[in-house]
Amino acid sequence: EVQLVESGGGLVKPGGSLRLSCLASGFTFSAYAMSWVRQAPGKGLEWISAISGSGDVTYYSESVKGRFTVSRDNSDSTLFLQTAGLRAEDTAIYYCAKVLGGYVGMDSWGQGTLVTVSS
Amino acid sequence: QSVLTQPPSASGTPGQRATIPCSGSNSNIGNNPVNWYLQLPGTAPKLLIYMNSERPSGVPDRFSGSKSGTSASLAISGLQSEDEADYYCAAWDDSLKGWVFGGGTRVTVL
Repeated sequence: EVQLVESGGGLVKPGGSLRLSCLASGFTFSAYAMSWVRQAPGKGLEWISAISGSGDVTYYSESVKGRFTVSRDNSDSTLFLQTAGLRAEDTAIYYCAKVLGGYVGMDSWGQGTLVTVSS
Repeated sequence: QSVLTQPPSASGTPGQRATIPCSGSNSNIGNNPVNWYLQLPGTAPKLLIYMNSERPSGVPDRFSGSKSGTSASLAISGLQSEDEADYYCAAWDDSLKGWVFGGGTRVTVL
């Protein structure tokens, strides 16, 4: 059974940074691309980043490009999202998700970790 | 403003059929497969339909998806109270080089 467990969220001041982690199990982690999707309070889903199985190809939404960095450690089956220059509008639940394949989209999701940006 | 367009709400009585449309463009739905996700309050999204019309194991056949040109739709037949949730469409966008979601449709069973 695929399991994705996010951690690292919390309260941070504007301009601050956080490193989110997602521990994966139940599948061959290195064989699959992974994504981060966020959801602001009371709002819809917003895709923000993806990384290939090998880690050599990354994608970002315009809203986080230049501030967030996605990476992975295939030896530990862990996905990371390093955030920086956080803004109030980055307040959201951050979900990691396994990509089904190619450009098909995400099939399994973690439970999410809440990031709150406030002074 | 979401790249994919969905109505904010839909409703029906138990047993009825509800349909949720999702409109996009040639760079997303027109050229890539569509997924649909269900999200119950306070929980993570769950994959409902992938590759336009395929159901993951465990998803009832009451849920069906279709795609034509730059539009897709999700149909829920035999509505049940437990179908009350938010539903999102999504597709890869070749121009934006990322996945795009619809704004979500809240389904209410009257």
